[in-house]
Amino acid sequence: DVKVTQSSRYLVKRTGEKVFLECVQDMDHENMFWYRQDPGLGLRLIYFSYDVKMKEKGDIPEGYSVSREKKERFSLILESASTNQTSMYLCASSFVDRPGRDSYEQYFGPGTRLTVT
Amino acid sequence: GQNIDQPTEMTATEGAIVQINCTYQTSGFNGLFWYQQHAGEAPTFLSYNVLDGLEEKGRFSSFLSRSKGYSYLLLKELQMKDSASYLCAHTSGFQKLVFGTGTRLLVSP
Repeated sequence: DVKVTQSSRYLVKRTGEKVFLECVQDMDHENMFWYRQDPGLGLRLIYFSYDVKMKEKGDIPEGYSVSREKKERFSLILESASTNQTSMYLCASSFVDRPGRDSYEQYFGPGTRLTVT
Repeated sequence: GQNIDQPTEMTATEGAIVQINCTYQTSGFNGLFWYQQHAGEAPTFLSYNVLDGLEEKGRFSSFLSRSKGYSYLLLKELQMKDSASYLCAHTSGFQKLVFGTGTRLLVSP
């Protein structure tokens, strides 16, 4: 079974702190994603990566950065946490679509509920 | 979600059939996904449609009409454990998913 793990289930940080959220997948997936999920807004893509050291901005990258030094690990960084970054953060991974592959669904980690006070 | 619409909430009774609709607008369409998310848990994959028509998988089926930008998820023989949010998502280039805000389904006895 695919396993995507995230470093923390719950995290409380203070405004202005630098925050690291870690995500690890064990299925050799090329693609990795970071989302945040807020009531009424659904899942919104922050950043994604399709290869080591590659990153692309998603729909709401402001205030975030990412790092992918190894294929299995994708980190989300909040340079200076703010209260409007209080949210549920979900990491996901998937294979790159290739001929002969039926689908490339994303597999999600359990999420990190971050509270910034 | 940006350009995906689905109802916010639906209710149904155990044993019934429910259809959750999803409409979308996009260019460069690659496929339509449905995910299930129980409260406090991660989304889990249910189905994927890339061609028009109905895909059946046990009690769950998903339909796609690309010309109409329309999909639905059909849940048969509802069980209490089916109470969850159901997320519709389409691919938007480079295998990124664009999610709707989700439909919360409440199944009552």
